[in-house]
Amino acid sequence: QKEVEQDPGPLSVPEGAIVSLNCTYSNSAFQYFMWYRQYSRKGPELLMYTYSSGNKEDGRFTAQVDKSSKYISLFIRDSQPSDSATYLCAMSDQTGANNLFFGTGTRLTVIP
Amino acid sequence: EAQVTQNPRYLITVTGKKLTVTCSQNMNHEYMSWYRQDPGLGLRQIYYSMNVEVTDKGDVPEGYKVSRKEKRNFPLILESPSPNQTSLYFCASSPLDSNYEQYFGPGTRLTVT
Repeated sequence: QKEVEQDPGPLSVPEGAIVSLNCTYSNSAFQYFMWYRQYSRKGPELLMYTYSSGNKEDGRFTAQVDKSSKYISLFIRDSQPSDSATYLCAMSDQTGANNLFFGTGTRLTVIP
Repeated sequence: EAQVTQNPRYLITVTGKKLTVTCSQNMNHEYMSWYRQDPGLGLRQIYYSMNVEVTDKGDVPEGYKVSRKEKRNFPLILESPSPNQTSLYFCASSPLDSNYEQYFGPGTRLTVT
């Protein structure tokens, strides 16, 4: 079983839709939960980071962590064509060590 | 501008011809890492380094070498490339105490024929 599972999609939505991207994980020790965004032909960039459980909001983006279900989500409100990218979740149990686990990524297309 | 640079961005080579992909960061980060990204497999770590002269294997190290002689540079060496090393390669760096925040380079598309 992989440490982190992520539906690869692809996911296509009309402009303005609410997008939900999800990952599940198996290691209950994970404390740091990240979402990276990767545009075509670019390197991933950190979009949002959450420590432990709960919600975090940044503009149109909301990251949600449910540690009891080992499930994290990224919601995108009022999606825009510029949100079209691959979204990778990532998780870690501690800093200062080589222990960052990535999901395989979900490819999102927002259609104008 | 804070950044991770990689060179070359694109490379086509033949089996067995040694090559080096350079990686440099200007953020004084201790931690650096190399990944390859393949369709359906996501990012897989090749090698990583916690600091100068400290390197270790990641998940897929076979066929690769690295060195960390300076803090800013972390080159990836393929001594005898094979077609199964055709992939998209990313270098990344981060502060050691917040290595959940990785800064990625722009990627190197390698094709081995």
